[in-house]
Amino acid sequence: QVQLQESGPGLVKPSGTLSLTCAVSTDSISRSNWWSWVRQPPGKGLEWIGEIYHSGSTNYNPSLKSRVTISVDKSKSQLSLKLSSVTAADTAVYFCARTGEYSYAYGYWGQGTLVTVSS
Amino acid sequence: EIVLTQSPGTLSLSPGERATLSCRASQSVSSRYLAWYQQKPGQGPRLLIYGTSSRATGIPDRFSGSASGTDFTLTISRLEPEDFAVYYCQQYGSSPLYTFGQGTKLEIK
Repeated sequence: QVQLQESGPGLVKPSGTLSLTCAVSTDSISRSNWWSWVRQPPGKGLEWIGEIYHSGSTNYNPSLKSRVTISVDKSKSQLSLKLSSVTAADTAVYFCARTGEYSYAYGYWGQGTLVTVSS
Repeated sequence: EIVLTQSPGTLSLSPGERATLSCRASQSVSSRYLAWYQQKPGQGPRLLIYGTSSRATGIPDRFSGSASGTDFTLTISRLEPEDFAVYYCQQYGSSPLYTFGQGTKLEIK
């Protein structure tokens, strides 16, 4: 069973950079899958942030593209997210997720980590 | 951008009843790329249905998916207590690559 675990600071100051990691266990981040970040503001729905392939190819949500960087560290078997120039609107639970066995649906999700943007 | 509109926003039913959840796409969506998720408080979403009508591993057969044009439906034939949660539809393929519906909350009546 693939396991994903997000981690990072729970509080980020406005105009700062949000940085999160997703540890991947019982799976290889080098396999042919897309690894994604999805977020969910408190009490609201899901928003796709972007994805990365094991080769390093990326796709981002156009609404966030100018502020987002997703990367993979194969040696640490982890996925990273950086979101710059954050505002209160970026307060959300951030999930990492993986496609693969189910076409382009996300068969595996982390538990999520809450990031609050506040001074 | 393809917008997915889910209805109703909240559905109040009793265990044993049948639930019908709707997801309408603003443009054509390939049936291969429409999925349904269940989310419970404090948890990540759980994949139920992919490719419009295929159940993910371990999903009970009381969950089924179907489509008619741009209208997609998730049906739960006989509600169990553990089925009360929020449900999201999701599409892949149009910019942004993935979009989700706003969710339907299934609550106990």
